[in-house]
Amino acid sequence: GDSVTQMEGPVTLSEEAFLTINCTYTATGYPSLFWYVQYPGEGLQLLLKATKADDKGSNKGFEATYRKETTSFHLEKGSVQVSDSAVYFCALSIGFQKLVFGTGTRLLVSP
Amino acid sequence: SAVISQKPSRDICQRGTSLTIQCQVDSQVTMMFWYRQQPGQSLTLIATANQGSEATYESGFVIDKFPISRPNLTFSTLTVSNMSPEDSSIYLCSGGTSKSYNEQFFGPGTRLTVL
Repeated sequence: GDSVTQMEGPVTLSEEAFLTINCTYTATGYPSLFWYVQYPGEGLQLLLKATKADDKGSNKGFEATYRKETTSFHLEKGSVQVSDSAVYFCALSIGFQKLVFGTGTRLLVSP
Repeated sequence: SAVISQKPSRDICQRGTSLTIQCQVDSQVTMMFWYRQQPGQSLTLIATANQGSEATYESGFVIDKFPISRPNLTFSTLTVSNMSPEDSSIYLCSGGTSKSYNEQFFGPGTRLTVL
């Protein structure tokens, strides 16, 4: 079945460090890929998305590129801030169907 | 985009009781879904809420335990029945439209604690 694998956390970084959170997927069709973020005590917010191979999603300084050849959608940010501390979820969907989530990666950014 | 609200935001319930969670969307959405997020875990889809008909449940979830209604395009309820401590989770509603391709918007969640 369809699945998403994320790197385990927590990821601990100092402010202004470079961030990468790895995400790979397995899908039988052609999925759309998403990164969602969950700040402490809040619900999920869509961070960025990509709907086809080689698309790059970007938002708030975060980027992820849909790599069909490596079935990956790694999340990157050049300089993290304390306010980026949250749990990040990689997810996929095929057609207009349910989202399949990865296990989530907690990011902790210290001043 | 769609703005989704849920009520209640949190509740503490006794074992054996039931709780109904409401989800309201500010605009018409094609699809509505209910997810569960157990403590420290990822999100798991419970069911797809279908307007005017029975919900479509995922493996491991049954209607008797999680009855769902969706009387119109903007409103749905999830009931957690005969609760046990294992039902302590965050329950999230989401919705999406055909215009926002595959994009789902989530409510703030309902944090349920069962004693």
